[in-house]
Amino acid sequence: GIQVEQSPPDLILQEGANSTLRCNFSDSVNNLQWFHQNPWGQLINLFYIPSGTKQNGRLSATTVATERYSLLYISSSQTTDSGVYFCAVGAGSYQLTFGKGTKLSVIP
Amino acid sequence: GAVVSQHPSWVICKSGTSVKIECRSLDFQATTMFWYRQFPKQSLMLMATSNEGSKATYEQGVEKDKFLINHASLTLSTLTVTSAHPEDSSFYICSAKLAGGRNEQFFGPGTRLTVL
Repeated sequence: GIQVEQSPPDLILQEGANSTLRCNFSDSVNNLQWFHQNPWGQLINLFYIPSGTKQNGRLSATTVATERYSLLYISSSQTTDSGVYFCAVGAGSYQLTFGKGTKLSVIP
Repeated sequence: GAVVSQHPSWVICKSGTSVKIECRSLDFQATTMFWYRQFPKQSLMLMATSNEGSKATYEQGVEKDKFLINHASLTLSTLTVTSAHPEDSSFYICSAKLAGGRNEQFFGPGTRLTVL
């Protein structure tokens, strides 16, 4: 099956700093989603982005499908951005394969 | 829009009992729903794909007789953990895909199961 690798596994930021999270995948995809899992376990949809670039407030994402990677940018980070960020991809079927996540800690 | 609910949010049960978890799409129809399991500090692992009106498709290594899935309507799927044991303790999360349209999935808040 498709392999998904996320980096870095852990990231500690000072409040106000910017960051880039990366997701590499091993095959062509027809679905790519970024999620933020909050401390209560809820997965929050950030982006549906199988290709191209999108922005939503302080967050933006870019997927370069031909090179099999996606990037999630967080600007002016806040303590509420802390949590685990997951990239998940789908290829062919509707099923999603999740990466292992990036644990982000934003300190005041 | 695209809200998915789960009930209960947490459950504690004795070993050997069965537990049913409900997953509902509140404001859209979902022909396909998915069940995931997440152990502490790990990623989500797909357990099964639930299709309305047909049998669920289970991932390799997931016992279909232990994890019974019923997708009775376009807005409801249930997961029953039968004869639960402590090793079944986990965080169970469902998701739903919009009927038609793109492949985007929307996730429920999860159910934390603890088997004593």
